[in-house]
Amino acid sequence: DARVTQTPRHKVTEMGQEVTMRCQPILGHNTVFWYRQTMMQGLELLAYFRNRAPLDDSGMPKDRFSAEMPDATLATLKIQPSEPRDSAVYFCASGPDSDTQYFGPGTRLTVL
Amino acid sequence: QKEVEQNSGPLSVPEGAIASLNCTYSDRGSQSFFWYRQYSGKSPELIMFIYSNGDKEDGRFTAQLNKASQYVSLLIRDSQPSDSATYLCAVIVDSSYKLIFGSGTRLLVRP
Repeated sequence: DARVTQTPRHKVTEMGQEVTMRCQPILGHNTVFWYRQTMMQGLELLAYFRNRAPLDDSGMPKDRFSAEMPDATLATLKIQPSEPRDSAVYFCASGPDSDTQYFGPGTRLTVL
Repeated sequence: QKEVEQNSGPLSVPEGAIASLNCTYSDRGSQSFFWYRQYSGKSPELIMFIYSNGDKEDGRFTAQLNKASQYVSLLIRDSQPSDSATYLCAVIVDSSYKLIFGSGTRLLVRP
């Protein structure tokens, strides 16, 4: 049963600390997406990769967020420095070369 | 105006009834339309997608698309308490695979 995996599932950190979230897309999927979900803003797209190349990161605060795909089996989302307003659930999703996307379980981030 | 609009609910229906969830979108060029279900504390799960005007049925679910009126709906027949969740409408507005989500409608199915 292929699925997207994300680590860690939960992260509590203090303001100013670096946070790295990892995602393993479904094998064979060549599109990867990072989303953030909050009660106030709902589900927002942060970044989007196709064949490991970043295609769109316009939803991401550039000064503190960065997203990379070092290889086809790993996508990372980094926040440095973290702020309390970054507290949210961060989802990774992957898809075959089509418009269907499959979501991972998410990382619940709390920044104190 | 948000690109994808949904009534936040909650929409409350009795068990066995038909639940009707609606979504409107602002971009006439929108290509593809999706319904995701999200249980509390869980990740969104794709349940239906539709590309062409008309109805698409899958088991108890029917997606309806009307591009002229810019709305898409999801009907759930014979609603069950296990259908209680938030239903997210999502749209792809261009040739990318970027999904634009609505804020979701919370559905409660009363036993």
